[in-house]
Parts: sequence; C-alpha cells; structure tokens
Amino acid sequence: AQSVAQPEDQVNVAEGNPLTVKCTYSVSGNPYLFWYVQYPNRGLQFLLKYITGDNLVKGSYGFEAEFNKSQTSFHLKKPSALVSDSALYFCAVRPMNTGFQKLVFGTGTRLLVSP
Amino acid sequence: DVKVTQSSRYLVKRTGEKVFLECVQDMDHENMFWYRQDPGLGLRLIYFSYDVKMKEKGDIPEGYSVSREKKERFSLILESASTNQTSMYLCASSLILDRGAEAFFGQGTRLTVV
Repeated sequence: AQSVAQPEDQVNVAEGNPLTVKCTYSVSGNPYLFWYVQYPNRGLQFLLKYITGDNLVKGSYGFEAEFNKSQTSFHLKKPSALVSDSALYFCAVRPMNTGFQKLVFGTGTRLLVSP
Repeated sequence: DVKVTQSSRYLVKRTGEKVFLECVQDMDHENMFWYRQDPGLGLRLIYFSYDVKMKEKGDIPEGYSVSREKKERFSLILESASTNQTSMYLCASSLILDRGAEAFFGQGTRLTVV
C-alpha cells in the first residue's frame, strides 16, 4: 500500500536555529513528493515538490527538502527558523505507477518556533 | 494565482440534514478533490473528479456523494449528516498529476453536526 509517514507529531525549535521536519514514504516505483503548510483555520499552501533531477529542492519562504531514494525520505529543512514558520506541515506523495490521480498525505507535523 | 474558493468557512447543521459544500476553481483544472481533515489522521480523500460528470471514490466515500456538472465547480453532499462527519473539509484542484502538478487548496469548511 502507498503510504507516507511523518514520525513526529510536533517539532520544537528556537528562532534562528535550523529546523528539520521528517517524512518517509512507501510506494512502488518512483514517486512525486510534496510539502504543504497549513496555518490555523486555513487551507493547505504548497511549499515545494520533487519530480526528478537534483535531490535538493528549494521552495517558498526559504524552505528546502532533500530527496533520498535509498532511505525513502523527503525531509523538509530550513537553515534558520522564524517564529512565523510555526504551523502544521504535511508531506504528500503521488505514486507514479498508478492511473489514479491521487495524493497520499501524512498525518502532519506541528512546528513550534519559540522566540 | 490559482484560486480555489469554498462557499462557507463555518457551517453548523443538524443530524439528518442534507448538506451541500460547494467549491469553485478558476484555473481550468481537470482534477478536483474533496478531503477531510481530522487531528491525528491527516487528510483523507473522500472523492475525486477528473472531468465533468466523472468521479472516483477515495478512501472514505461512505455517507458522501459528489457532483461535477461544470468543470470549475465540485460539490460535496452529505446525504444525511451525522455527528461523526463533524470535521474540516478541504477542496483542492490540480492539473493532471502525471506530470507532477501540485494541488491547490481552498481555505476549508469547518462543519459541525449537532
């Protein structure tokens, strides 16, 4: 079965420190991978995606993610966290070998950046 | 910018009512989705449509139906609302996902069934 795991319910980091939000996936074949962010009482906003090519992907608001095929991971990173980065983050995968147009989401990780 | 608009931010309905959630997108996207978001469960796909009048069941279609009469509009229908359908509902649209297109989300509708 296709699945996405976000092993941490919450990540705490001090402002100015680097942050990492973890994501691993399980799909057959090569996937498309996505990160989304959700602020309170809002919909999801697209941050970045991996399709092919360079394993390091840069996205909005200074975020980046590294695709690691051997570890089936796609961790979200930022060199210096801001208090305004506090939000709920979702990893998603689109399996490439299925005809069904579907994104599979993880359960989300709440990021809390303290001043 | 792509805009996905859901008709209501907050709704309160009574058990047994028929409930309509409306979603409109303005980017001529082929795909439209309805997700349900619950704490600890992430987003779960209810229904998906890849063209006008075409639909596919997602992971949790029971108790729901959908309608897509026009390309830009995708409606979610709760045939007889129940308290376990209290949740955040998110509509999304995208180009064909085979090329790695991302989905764009509406602001969400928080539905409470009493």
